[in-house]
Amino acid sequence: GAVVSQHPSRVICKSGTSVKIECRSLDFQATTMFWYRQFPKQSLMLMATSNEGSKATYEQGVEKDKFLINHASLTLSTLTVTSAHPEDSSFYICSATGTATYEQYFGPGTRLTVT
Amino acid sequence: GEDVEQSLFLSVREGDSSVINCTYTDSSSTYLYWYKQEPGAGLQLLTYIFSNMDMKQDQRLTVLLNKKDKHLSLRIADTQTGDSAIYFCASPGANNLFFGTGTRLTVIP
Repeated sequence: GAVVSQHPSRVICKSGTSVKIECRSLDFQATTMFWYRQFPKQSLMLMATSNEGSKATYEQGVEKDKFLINHASLTLSTLTVTSAHPEDSSFYICSATGTATYEQYFGPGTRLTVT
Repeated sequence: GEDVEQSLFLSVREGDSSVINCTYTDSSSTYLYWYKQEPGAGLQLLTYIFSNMDMKQDQRLTVLLNKKDKHLSLRIADTQTGDSAIYFCASPGANNLFFGTGTRLTVIP
């Protein structure tokens, strides 16, 4: 199956700083990429959907100025958590779909801890 | 949006079969998925089933779909300790997936 990578896998940052998470589709062109957040022992919460070259569509309740998403190419999307706070600590997972949109491939996730 | 529900926990003995159940509300779902999440990792697509199918088998995995009752199940035959994980069913929306709460499967040696 298709491979999606995320970098970094784990990051610890101080409160008030910004953190960038990269999501790459390694062997296919991702027409759409998704960013999810997962709280401990809970299901995934969709944060935003991004299509290459256009602005991301954010879900209700997700602050677009805090969670900046850039999908500059068909293989790369980035999520920047700006002015991070401890409540932003979470597991962030990206996923991507190619031309066969019924299959969504997930990255391994990034564990963000804000101290 | 779609409501997708699962039971939270399941424990089975190694070698037994596991059955993980899921109910959904959107009858127009054309396909449904099962994902596996191991501790600290992302989601791995296990299998999916199209809505015009009642059953799909792939090695130790069997997916059953009852469209009338909007019920989906995943059966794992000969469950192994490596199958211990959280299993999510998911139903597609217009542009994304709606996930169930996940079922934590614990395999007892």
